[in-house]
Amino acid sequence: KAGVTQTPRYLIKTRGQQVTLSCSPISGHRSVSWYQQTPGQGLQFLFEYFSETQRNKGNFPGRFSGRQFSNSRSEMNVSTLELGDSALYLCASSNGPHGYTFGSGTRLTVV
Amino acid sequence: AQSVTQLDSHVSVSEGTPVLLRCNYSSSYSPSLFWYVQHPNKGLQLLLKYTSAATLVKGINGFEAEFKKSETSFHLTKPSAHMSDAAEYFCVVSEQGGSEKLVFGKGTKLTVNP
Repeated sequence: KAGVTQTPRYLIKTRGQQVTLSCSPISGHRSVSWYQQTPGQGLQFLFEYFSETQRNKGNFPGRFSGRQFSNSRSEMNVSTLELGDSALYLCASSNGPHGYTFGSGTRLTVV
Repeated sequence: AQSVTQLDSHVSVSEGTPVLLRCNYSSSYSPSLFWYVQHPNKGLQLLLKYTSAATLVKGINGFEAEFKKSETSFHLTKPSAHMSDAAEYFCVVSEQGGSEKLVFGKGTKLTVNP
């Protein structure tokens, strides 16, 4: 079966712009989580959606937001981009607390 | 709150020798524990998971890990390293209580020398 698909794979944005990243989970998975990976902070939890509802949120500013659609696809949005937002953004889909499958990520570079 | 400590940021072994990557965890609940591997410029691949069944967990590519509650450890081992094992490895704990949040360790970079 198809894995978790994240688009785009690479993005270059300018400070102050906004960006939207997309994640299509494995068919049948209703939970989608987002993580930010940077060399300094490692992997940090952004938020998790289940059945279109945000169920949990990490310690990130309000510039980071997300949503989930009825088909379980999810998007995350970052507004007013800062240089420090440059990172690999990973999406994971799950069908329960014991199974998480990650996508290949979106590499965001803010210049 | 859950936390994970990976005791070594970098481990270097020779091809054909054993691998030991160490992980200690802290959890208020009965934890689910995972090891993930990340090759350069790739996403995360699940190696194995512990979910309160057998304490010795076998994963892919010859890796295994043992859950030791008394020591709050979940070390990853492999009897014989292969060049393709060179990557970064993450020990991960899952929060329970209906929230599917993963807490990651800082990672251990494994180098395999020929």
